Amino acid sequence: DTGVSQDPRHKITKRGQNVTFRCDPISEHNRLYWYRQTLGQGPEFLTYFQNEAQLEKSRLLSDRFSAERPKGSFSTLEIQRTEQGDSAMYLCASRPQVSPYNEQFFGPGTRLTVL
Amino acid sequence: AQSVTQLDSQVPVFEEAPVELRCNYSSSVSVYLFWYVQYPNQGLQLLLKYLSGSTLVKGINGFEAEFNKSQTSFHLRKPSVHISDTAEYFCAVSDRIYNQGGKLIFGQGTELSVKP
Repeated sequence: DTGVSQDPRHKITKRGQNVTFRCDPISEHNRLYWYRQTLGQGPEFLTYFQNEAQLEKSRLLSDRFSAERPKGSFSTLEIQRTEQGDSAMYLCASRPQVSPYNEQFFGPGTRLTVL
Repeated sequence: AQSVTQLDSQVPVFEEAPVELRCNYSSSVSVYLFWYVQYPNQGLQLLLKYLSGSTLVKGINGFEAEFNKSQTSFHLRKPSVHISDTAEYFCAVSDRIYNQGGKLIFGQGTELSVKP
């Protein structure tokens, strides 16, 4: 399978715990994006990387959120001190830097439930 | 900045009937336009995209969309729907500025429910 993969697919945690999600993009896609999708809403942009550099962060990405892409391949998204409002689907997408259009390829998402 | 409005949150339709899902956008710069589909508990799959040229764009699964610049709309249509088309549909835009981030701005989604 050469698509975008995310792990885990589901995560249930208690309020105040830390969680970490992983995204493996399509090989040779050097741009990687994170989005958050709450129930009944469209995905909202969180941040993106070009290779290992984090080039843009949304104001939605509070200081409890941190994302990394240390070797320019897979990426992790960590949420510290989770709150119930963090419950959402977290989507990862990737694309080549040079693209005639901005089509992004999405993974299946990680659904987070904070109790 | 860009914004996307999907005018219908839910669209119920009978099998084999035609359907139109409406999308309007706002942007101060030129944009690319997309429609994505999301089946339950899955990620997003691209249905079609508009870059330039012909304003009628054909996508997968028999869907098509028409770009209307004067009305800033990009409505999605299918002449005859199937039960398997039941899903959430998202309209999205991305700016055309070279070497910018290319993030997608999504609408709120339209839930298409096809009934037998």
